[in-house]
Amino acid sequence: ETVLTQSPATLSVSPGERATLSCRAGQSVSNKLAWYQQKPGQAPRLLIFGASTRATGVPARFSGSGSGTEFTLTISSLQSEDFALYYCQQYNNWPFTFGPGTKVDI
Amino acid sequence: EAQLVESGGGLVQPGRSLRLSCVGAGFSFDDYAMHWLRQAPGKGLEWVSSITWNSNNIDYADSVKGRFTISRDNANNSLHLQMNSLRPDDTALYYCAKANSAHEVRGGWFHPWGQGTLVIVSS
Repeated sequence: ETVLTQSPATLSVSPGERATLSCRAGQSVSNKLAWYQQKPGQAPRLLIFGASTRATGVPARFSGSGSGTEFTLTISSLQSEDFALYYCQQYNNWPFTFGPGTKVDI
Repeated sequence: EAQLVESGGGLVQPGRSLRLSCVGAGFSFDDYAMHWLRQAPGKGLEWVSSITWNSNNIDYADSVKGRFTISRDNANNSLHLQMNSLRPDDTALYYCAKANSAHEVRGGWFHPWGQGTLVIVSS
């Protein structure tokens, strides 16, 4: 299966700062990568699919980039509601796999 | 807006069975494949099983193959997961999620997710 590695494990930032999260795949996943946000006690929420397409209702401060094996989720100016866990997921190679997550905290 | 609500979780002894259900609303349920995923306490996300809109194609993770059975009832907008021979490592919050197409069970993203139903396997 395709192993996804996310870095850093924890990202400490201040409101208003830029956050850059990385997801690396053990083999190419083309652009078939999604990003999810999960807050404590809540289900994951889709942010990005196709590596760079924002899901409906996702603020423009969230952007995704990359292809092949290297991907990035950027939050341009962190808001208080953005402090959460972020997971990447690949859907190019079966079975679906998720990264271990990056926690964004203050 | 599409919404999913799971039910059926609970505390069960190892080796016993449990049946989870998920009801969809706000979208044409029979236009989409559906998935089950799970999250062990304090752990990451794991895909469990998928089913196409017409139940013709079904997939399972190796960790549950032969023990879990996915099914759906389009007339009642419902998805089910029959879990047999449960083990302690099946303990998790189980989510259902909508696929982004009708036919694809081996591709795509998950959106939206239900709120989850907790399964605890313990003696």
